[in-house]
Amino acid sequence: ELKVEQNPLFLSMQEGKNYTIYCNYSTTSDRLYWYRQDPGKSLESLFVLLSNGAVKQEGRLMASLDTKARLSTLHITAAVHDLSATYFCAVQIQGGKLIFGQGTELSVKP
Amino acid sequence: DAGITQSPRHKVTETGTPVTLRCHQTENHRYMYWYRQDPGHGLRLIHYSYGVKDTDKGEVSDGYSVSRSKTEDFLLTLESATSSQTSVYFCAISGSSGREGSYEQYFGPGTRLTVT
Repeated sequence: ELKVEQNPLFLSMQEGKNYTIYCNYSTTSDRLYWYRQDPGKSLESLFVLLSNGAVKQEGRLMASLDTKARLSTLHITAAVHDLSATYFCAVQIQGGKLIFGQGTELSVKP
Repeated sequence: DAGITQSPRHKVTETGTPVTLRCHQTENHRYMYWYRQDPGHGLRLIHYSYGVKDTDKGEVSDGYSVSRSKTEDFLLTLESATSSQTSVYFCAISGSSGREGSYEQYFGPGTRLTVT
């Protein structure tokens, strides 16, 4: 059974600190996506990672993909309150389908 | 933002009644998907479509059916709603115009369904 596992599932951070969210998956894939979801809202696409070693950065967020280890990371640098949200990774399989992780609920406190 | 709308946005219905949710897109994308979101499970794929009248099952398809008679519309039907189908339902679309040529999925606003 294909599994996509994120950890931690809940993360409470102080502003200004750094942290990493991990996304492990159990099948061969070289396409992985990160999404952000604010409470009561839809999902917003953050990063598209399409090959081994891919690294993308946007503001305080940086995502990377290691297809050999079947691992993606989302690194947060100097967190600010506006980053509080739930973050999902999703692995693409045949037919373009996505398998999502459980989500990581991030809370950034002053 | 990708042009995706869902209707209704909220619905309360009784167990045993049929329910149809609609997803409409203005992007002319080939692929359309229905997901449900439940706490602790992330999003799970119910059904998807790879063209008009071409659909297939996802990982949680029992109790659901879909239809796609036009490129722009993808309907999700609960033939006889049950309390376990209380959830938030998201539609997504994708095509070859995603970033870096990926089939990146874009999500609609969601429909909150409550089955009492």
